[in-house]
Amino acid sequence: DSGVTQTPKHLITATGQRVTLRCSPRSGDLSVYWYQQSLDQGLQFLIQYYNGEERAKGNILERFSAQQFPDLHSELNLSSLELGDSALYFCASSVGGRVGYGTEAFFGQGTRLTVV
Amino acid sequence: DQQVKQNSPSLSVQEGRISILNCDYTNSMFDYFLWYKKYPAEGPTFLISISSIKDKNEDGRFTVFLNKSAKHLSLHIVPSQPGDSAVYFCAAPTGNQFYFGTGTSLTVIP
Repeated sequence: DSGVTQTPKHLITATGQRVTLRCSPRSGDLSVYWYQQSLDQGLQFLIQYYNGEERAKGNILERFSAQQFPDLHSELNLSSLELGDSALYFCASSVGGRVGYGTEAFFGQGTRLTVV
Repeated sequence: DQQVKQNSPSLSVQEGRISILNCDYTNSMFDYFLWYKKYPAEGPTFLISISSIKDKNEDGRFTVFLNKSAKHLSLHIVPSQPGDSAVYFCAAPTGNQFYFGTGTSLTVIP
């Protein structure tokens, strides 16, 4: 158990809809990262939050947004969903805001989103 | 721009033999690397790391080698066991994110 909790584990929704994915980081971790893993793809970085503030953006679509709340949990909002948004969405957490030597990220079990 | 690359999508080895998973990177500023292991329906879990001041780090059956001049690292698993069958990602943390490779799916055949 990594200590990172993601809900829900599975989500099936229709095109055009909006969903919210939730992540609770490991106790003591201030940074939350969101990653997308599509079929046969690696982990694509979407966005990072540190202590409530957005720190870095990756390949995140404008239809997607995220936030980190005062209790440090984070939500990833996906709107106007398309078939191509079907993927595994992972949340990870780490202690600090910047990463480098000695830093690990701890991953949740992911949310499998299926858009039909 | 894929700064961390794993060019072998899959690898099959016999139980008891050595598994070698490779990873290349382009950013010479990377000074720390991690390997993650991922089982189906689970999140990636940390396996082993190496700092750029070393060229080898060993943890039980797992050894990671780093060749800085070639910008190449490899993960050796000896002996391979069926429970090692998983997807392995190499990663480099820098700045505000972890750069991940696309993963190599390892199958260890009993």
